[in-house]
Amino acid sequence: AQTVTQSQPEMSVQEAETVTLSCTYDTSESNYYLFWYKQPPSRQMILVIRQEAYKQQNATENRFSVNFQKAAKSFSLKISDSQLGDTAMYFCAFMKHVGGSQGNLIFGKGTKLSVKP
Amino acid sequence: EPEVTQTPSHQVTQMGQEVILRCVPISNHLYFYWYRQILGQKVEFLVSFYNNEISEKSEIFDDQFSVERPDGSNFTLKIRSTKLEDSAMYFCASRATAYNEQFFGPGTRLTVL
Repeated sequence: AQTVTQSQPEMSVQEAETVTLSCTYDTSESNYYLFWYKQPPSRQMILVIRQEAYKQQNATENRFSVNFQKAAKSFSLKISDSQLGDTAMYFCAFMKHVGGSQGNLIFGKGTKLSVKP
Repeated sequence: EPEVTQTPSHQVTQMGQEVILRCVPISNHLYFYWYRQILGQKVEFLVSFYNNEISEKSEIFDDQFSVERPDGSNFTLKIRSTKLEDSAMYFCASRATAYNEQFFGPGTRLTVL
């Protein structure tokens, strides 16, 4: 069974600074996807970034980037130039690469990020 | 931009009552999911649905739960006899193909008294 671990329950960062959220996972699969979702106080789940395990290049979306270390089973999220609107819970999630109708997400427990002015 | 919608946003019910949570996935999506999040805990998978049948379910999804896509647009989660521990946020999600990311609805907060 796959597991996702986020070891930082809470983090804080000053506005405009950079912060890195950690995520490790355990799987015997060789092909899979990894995601970071953001959950602001409204509790809506918003996709931040995705990474396909077969791609060596780290994904980037504007101020958000990941450091994907497949051998170490590590998938950290870096937020550059933090903004007040980045304040939220951040969930790391794993999905098996399946060709059929499955593909449910397995989530970590989340990291609560506070961006301070 | 298309989005997943869910109704109601908040449902309060008495223990033992039946509830139906409704979702309208994005129109060209083929794969549908229900997740739940008990307050302060992580998001947990309940069930996936494809081609008008359940494709996978977790151990949480027992006989008290059922899902349906009655009319080709709505996707519903029914809890037959609610328990106190069913109080949670329930998220619907959908995706277009087997290889795309899932898009989540805003959630329904279920409170069982």
